[in-house]
Amino acid sequence: GQSLEQPSEVTAVEGAIVQINCTYQTSGFYGLSWYQQHDGGAPTFLSYNGLDGLEETGRFSSFLSRSDSYGYLLLQELQMKDSASYFCAVGLDSNYQLIWGAGTKLIIKP
Amino acid sequence: GAGVSQTPSNKVTEKGKYVELRCDPISGHTALYWYRQSLGQGPEFLIYFQGTGAADDSGLPNDRFFAVRPEGSVSTLKIQRTERGDSAVYLCASSPGTRISNEQFFGPGTRLTVL
Repeated sequence: GQSLEQPSEVTAVEGAIVQINCTYQTSGFYGLSWYQQHDGGAPTFLSYNGLDGLEETGRFSSFLSRSDSYGYLLLQELQMKDSASYFCAVGLDSNYQLIWGAGTKLIIKP
Repeated sequence: GAGVSQTPSNKVTEKGKYVELRCDPISGHTALYWYRQSLGQGPEFLIYFQGTGAADDSGLPNDRFFAVRPEGSVSTLKIQRTERGDSAVYLCASSPGTRISNEQFFGPGTRLTVL
């Protein structure tokens, strides 16, 4: 079977830094994607890691270690608008199918 | 430009009825995906189209579910003899290609409620 594990909920303070972890056990692995979803909204793409290491996009960074079957999303300078659910998703091969985690609800306090 | 659109935004139906959910992808996107998302869960893959053909329908839960994309653009997900367990948000996404690193652009979803 396929499984992705991520914390169900994380709480942080506005302006702080938060890390959301994702570990996976899948039949294949091509890359790890991260998506953000606000309540009632559509998932929106944040980042993709195909190789080990850190990818940085503005306030968001994502890391992958293929040998550890592990990745994380790092959010810096948290803003209230970052309150949302964050999903990691594994691409099984070079094509299309994504296997999604259950999501991490990020709660930001002022 | 316009994003992915889905209609209706909400659909309430009775158990046993037939429903159709429509997805308009971003113009020029060849890949189209359908997902189903239940509360507190991540999207669950249903079917993937590359152009007009269903390249992979392995995620469809049973033969009550069917999807078409006759002209390689708009897609319709069809559910026959709906059951209460079909209640969920049905998401459609499109992307310009098929490689995993291609961002998938999601529509707002159709919330299906089967009474």
